[in-house]
Amino acid sequence: SYVLTQPPSVSVAPGQTARITCGGNNIGSKSVHWYQQKPGQAPVLVVYDDSDRPSGIPERFSGSNSGNTATLTISRVEAGDEADYYCQVWDSSSDLPVFGGGTKLTVL
Amino acid sequence: EVQLVESGGGLVQPGRSLRLSCTASGFTFGDYAMSWVRQAPGKGLEWVGFIRSKAYGGTTEYAASVKGRFTISRDDSKSIAYLQMNSLKTEDTAVYYCTRENSGYSYAFDYWGQGTLVTVSS
Repeated sequence: SYVLTQPPSVSVAPGQTARITCGGNNIGSKSVHWYQQKPGQAPVLVVYDDSDRPSGIPERFSGSNSGNTATLTISRVEAGDEADYYCQVWDSSSDLPVFGGGTKLTVL
Repeated sequence: EVQLVESGGGLVQPGRSLRLSCTASGFTFGDYAMSWVRQAPGKGLEWVGFIRSKAYGGTTEYAASVKGRFTISRDDSKSIAYLQMNSLKTEDTAVYYCTRENSGYSYAFDYWGQGTLVTVSS
């Protein structure tokens, strides 16, 4: 089955830029979705289709996808961005969804 | 406003059964595929299964970890999706989320319920 690899943790100072990666074999050929999950809350979709944002998601959240790595970029990081972030794709061989292991973003 | 509300969670002994419900509102439920995603305590997200809309046959798919034990169904007249869980194991302990798949978003899970906790323990 298709495997998505995320770093367990990323730390960034307020006002700086956070980059969270999601690695997978030829992931650039797939649509990548990103979810934010704050403690005790349900996940929220923040980026879909590599780089599109649902309504209500700040422009500070952006995404890119190429080769074997997709990246979620959070600009001008705020304390409220501290959360777990998960990438997700659909495995084309099984036609089933797959999640990455998640990355804990810490705002220093 | 789209809302998904799960119910039916609780404490259950290993080997027993439990049925979760997901009541939807704010959209035409029958037009969407619905998925269940779970999260074990302190762990990441794990997709459990989905049910397609009737337009796509209303068929189901499941993760290998639950196949043969869990069954998803839907009642479009009531806007409810169900997750029937049989032969429960301790490793099924998790918060179970109901989610909507949005084809317009390349089938991203664009709305999630608040989750319901299932604890499997003797």
